[in-house]
Amino acid sequence: KNQVEQSPQSLIILEGKNCTLQCNYTVSPFSNLRWYKQDTGRGPVSLTIMTFSENTKSNGRYTATLDADTKQSSLHITASQLSDSASYICVVSVAGGTSYGKLTFGQGTILTVHP
Amino acid sequence: EAGVAQSPRYKIIEKRQSVAFWCNPISGHATLYWYQQILGQGPKLLIQFQNNGVVDDSQLPKDRFSAERLKGVDSTLKIQPAKLEDSAVYLCASSLGPPGSGNTIYFGEGSWLTVV
Repeated sequence: KNQVEQSPQSLIILEGKNCTLQCNYTVSPFSNLRWYKQDTGRGPVSLTIMTFSENTKSNGRYTATLDADTKQSSLHITASQLSDSASYICVVSVAGGTSYGKLTFGQGTILTVHP
Repeated sequence: EAGVAQSPRYKIIEKRQSVAFWCNPISGHATLYWYQQILGQGPKLLIQFQNNGVVDDSQLPKDRFSAERLKGVDSTLKIQPAKLEDSAVYLCASSLGPPGSGNTIYFGEGSWLTVV
């Protein structure tokens, strides 16, 4: 069964600190992995998309890494800001077959940044 | 570039009543999705359209949920009759093509449904 698990479930950090969110997946065959940021009461917004051949991708203060061998990804946030408080969702897409592109969502990690 | 538009933003109905949500995707996007997101969980795909054809509706409770995408543009999602467990955010999303091609998926702000 295709699954995406994220850890921790929630995280509280102080403004200016760095943090790393984890994503483990069992989706197969793998097509791509996405990280989304979802503010409370808003729709998810795409941060990064990585394919099998990509190890790292950055978007401003957000850096995602992918290890396709161990089926793990991480999202590193540098110099956190209050506006980073949100839920971060890891999403994996399958490749080929009748499920081409089907997305499997993680439960999300709720990040709270305190001043 | 205009984003994915959804309406209404909020709806409160009694159980057994019906409700309809509307979605206007980003212009030119062939793929349209409806997701259900229960508080504290990740989104769950209800239905995926490619143009006006259904690609995946395996998790759509077809006894009470229906969706259509006439002319391959706008889409409506209907619930009839609603149950208490349908209380959730209904997210519409769109992309140029299927997600397997690495296309970015853009989400609307969601329609919040409370069934009482």
